[in-house]
Amino acid sequence: AQSVSQHNHHVILSEAASLELGCNYSYGGTVNLFWYVQYPGQHLQLLLKYFSGDPLVKGIKGFEAEFIKSKFSFNLRKPSVQWSDTAEYFCALYPYNTDKLIFGTGTRLQVFP
Amino acid sequence: DVKVTQSSRYLVKRTGEKVFLECVQDMDHENMFWYRQDPGLGLRLIYFSYDVKMKEKGDIPEGYSVSREKKERFSLILESASTNQTSMYLCASSPDRGLGQETQYFGPGTRLLVL
Repeated sequence: AQSVSQHNHHVILSEAASLELGCNYSYGGTVNLFWYVQYPGQHLQLLLKYFSGDPLVKGIKGFEAEFIKSKFSFNLRKPSVQWSDTAEYFCALYPYNTDKLIFGTGTRLQVFP
Repeated sequence: DVKVTQSSRYLVKRTGEKVFLECVQDMDHENMFWYRQDPGLGLRLIYFSYDVKMKEKGDIPEGYSVSREKKERFSLILESASTNQTSMYLCASSPDRGLGQETQYFGPGTRLLVL
């Protein structure tokens, strides 16, 4: 069965530190991949997505993610985090022909000034 | 801007009550979804709909039903609420069914407590 794993459940960083959140999926076919973010008290919203082309995808607020097909990974990165990046981050997989978005369990990021 | 609204932010119900959660989107999207969000479990799909009067089961449909009589409105029904249905419920919508590249737009969520 298709699944998404986010191994980092809770990450605590100081401002200006670099960030990498892991996302691995299990599915052998073509996929679309997404990162969504939920800021405290706000709606879940799209951060970035990959469906074809350049495997390095840039999103809002300086985030990027790299799709590595051989590793079944889609890790999220940001070179220098800010306090305002404190949020919960969800990786999601859309396997072709399944009609469903499959979410990981989420990673809670806390950034301290 | 896409707007997805949910009828209540917070609800408290008693075990056995019938509960209706309403969701409305204003962007003429074909697709609508209901998820529940629980700590450590992420988002799990309950039901989704690709068109009026159409519905498909998601991963955890037991104990829930849905209704889509109008394109903009998708209702989640808990026929007989139980304590294990205490959760955050998120509604989402997305445009035409394509190759799964569409962004889903989420509502603010309804936090339901069943006593």
